[in-house]
Amino acid sequence: DAGITQSPRHKVTETGTPVTLRCHQTENHRYMYWYRQDPGHGLRLIHYSYGVKDTDKGEVSDGYSVSRSKTEDFLLTLESATSSQTSVYFCAITEVPGQGNSRGYTFGSGTRLTVV
Amino acid sequence: QKEVEQNSGPLSVPEGAIASLNCTYSDRGSQSFFWYRQYSGKSPELIMFIYSNGDKEDGRFTAQLNKASQYVSLLIRDSQPSDSATYLCAVNFYGQNFVFGPGTRLSVLP
Repeated sequence: DAGITQSPRHKVTETGTPVTLRCHQTENHRYMYWYRQDPGHGLRLIHYSYGVKDTDKGEVSDGYSVSRSKTEDFLLTLESATSSQTSVYFCAITEVPGQGNSRGYTFGSGTRLTVV
Repeated sequence: QKEVEQNSGPLSVPEGAIASLNCTYSDRGSQSFFWYRQYSGKSPELIMFIYSNGDKEDGRFTAQLNKASQYVSLLIRDSQPSDSATYLCAVNFYGQNFVFGPGTRLSVLP
């Protein structure tokens, strides 16, 4: 999607290894999010950021950490990958969450992570 | 815990028919409602949003909101095979993060 890119697009890693996924935006949006998407569960929020160095946990944050040292970059780290973290990971950005937001979230293209 | 529910489907409709997708939510204070379309292997893309009770139309799409009954629906008129996708409902409460439903898979049969 224009203005937001995720890397890598695909990754296979071994159980117990650390993994870092990157989300990069050129829209200068304040809010950035990491979701995972699994069959039957839809999109579940892992962590989000509301500014540089300002982050908070979502509903499925265990085993994940994030960092945001620049407005444009939001990193998601799996500290010690497990098979249950095999999923598709989406990054999303928005200007303002909630009422008054007519654009919703813009999503990146996703990262397909397989933990073996 | 705020919850958003959708029938997972698949919902199958013939080409040219009206597809009706429904979403219910648990938090009566929810304020804004979004519908996303997601093609297989792709990322979600915004179709429509609605804030006020009633209907909102955009081309072949109509979003309907009933806050008293806590449901929001999406109607797709003159359905086309290209509308075959998973449709995600997203609900927001007081500026907090969106909560997404699990999605309804729509199949439009030629």
